[in-house]
Amino acid sequence: SQKIEQNSEALNIQEGKTATLTCNYTNYSPAYLQWYRQDPGRGPVFLLLIRENEKEKRKERLKVTFDTTLKQSLFHITASQPADSATYLCALPNYGGSQGNLIFGKGTKLSVKP
Amino acid sequence: GAGVSQSPSNKVTEKGKDVELRCDPISGHTALYWYRQSLGQGLEFLIYFQGNSAPDKSGLPSDRFSAERTGGSVSTLTIQRTQQEDSAVYLCASSLVGPPYEQYFGPGTRLTVT
Repeated sequence: SQKIEQNSEALNIQEGKTATLTCNYTNYSPAYLQWYRQDPGRGPVFLLLIRENEKEKRKERLKVTFDTTLKQSLFHITASQPADSATYLCALPNYGGSQGNLIFGKGTKLSVKP
Repeated sequence: GAGVSQSPSNKVTEKGKDVELRCDPISGHTALYWYRQSLGQGLEFLIYFQGNSAPDKSGLPSDRFSAERTGGSVSTLTIQRTQQEDSAVYLCASSLVGPPYEQYFGPGTRLTVT
């Protein structure tokens, strides 16, 4: 079955720097990969989707890359701000389950210090 | 428009009691998901409803857990004879039909079993 690893449980960076979060998966390459943000006491919020035929996707200060050879996605936040502090989750379709079912990584907790 | 809503936001119950958690998905979303998130843990898939198809119950941890979705809209997750290990945040999400199944989450119900 597919497994997801988000290498760092926590990442601490200084305001203004670029935060880079990693999502690795095993087994089959998914048709797409999603990134979500979760704040304490709230449900996850969808941020970005990248498809297998896309190398890179951007949205404002966010950039996601997808390397099917390395079985890895990188999530970048440029010019980071304290308001970016949250837990970031990656998610892949679970082809071992029902269509539409996603499996989520455990997340990386990002802290941006002023 | 309105997002996914869940009720109650918090529920404290005694061990052995039954509880019902409610989810109102976004109007027009035919897919509905239930997850469980324990402290410091990732999202654990519980059950998935897709239109009129039989639900995917593969994530339900025991037969004490059940869920139904009435009229293709509101869903209720029922936990019978609650145990302390059932304490967690229960999250509901909904999505449109078809990939990439971007999910919209509710705020969750925090269940505490004493």
